Amino acid sequence: GENVEQHPSTLSVQEGDSAVIKCTYSDSASNYFPWYKQELGKRPQLIIDIRSNVGEKKDQRIAVTLNKTAKHFSLHITETQPEDSAVYFCAASGRSGGYNKLIFGAGTRLAVHP
Amino acid sequence: DAGVTQSPTHLIKTRGQHVTLRCSPISGHKSVSWYQQVLGQGPQFIFQYYEKEERGRGNFPDRFSARQFPNYSSELNVNALLLGDSALYLCASSLGQSGETQYFGPGTRLLVL
Repeated sequence: GENVEQHPSTLSVQEGDSAVIKCTYSDSASNYFPWYKQELGKRPQLIIDIRSNVGEKKDQRIAVTLNKTAKHFSLHITETQPEDSAVYFCAASGRSGGYNKLIFGAGTRLAVHP
Repeated sequence: DAGVTQSPTHLIKTRGQHVTLRCSPISGHKSVSWYQQVLGQGPQFIFQYYEKEERGRGNFPDRFSARQFPNYSSELNVNALLLGDSALYLCASSLGQSGETQYFGPGTRLLVL
C-alpha cells in the first residue's frame, strides 16, 4: 500500500548547525512532495514543496532534494535557529485518481539548542 | 489574511455520541480535505471534496461522513464515537482538485471519554 517513511524520528542539533530529514515513498505515481512544520498545538504549516519534474528547490535556509529513481526526498535546514524547533512532516501525493490525497510520514521532532 | 477556519476548537464527547466538525476554506478555494491526526503521528487522509462532490476517501469506517456546501465550506460527521476517535481533526483547503498545495486550518481537538 501507499507509505511514507521518515527518519530520524528525533533530531537534536546546536544552533547554527545543519539538519537533514529524509523520507522514502512507496508509490511511484507520487508527483508532489510537500514539507510541513508543526509547532506544539498549532496547525501544520507548509514550508517548502517540490514536484517530480524538479530535482532540487531552495528557499533561503531551507532546501529540498528529490530522487525519483530511488523514491527518496530530503529536507535540509542550514544555520538552524531555536525557532526552527518543531515537528516536521514530509508527505507524498497519493495514487493519482483525480484527487488531493497526501500520505504523511510519522514526523521528525527537531530540537535546536542555543 | 482569511486563512482556513475550523470550529469548534475543542470538543469533549462520550462514547456512542456523534459529532459535527466545520471548516471554511480560503476564499476562492474549491477543495476541502479532512485529515485525522492522532497524537504523535502524521495526519491521515479521511476525505476530499471538490465542487460539492466526494473525490476521495481514505481508509476510515462508514461512521465517518462529510459534505461540502455551495459556498465550499464543509462538515465532517462522525457517528457512534469510539475512544480511538480522539484526535486532532484537520481541514485542508486547496484551489483545485488534484496535485494542489494544501493549506491547513487550526484543527478541532476531539476527546472521546
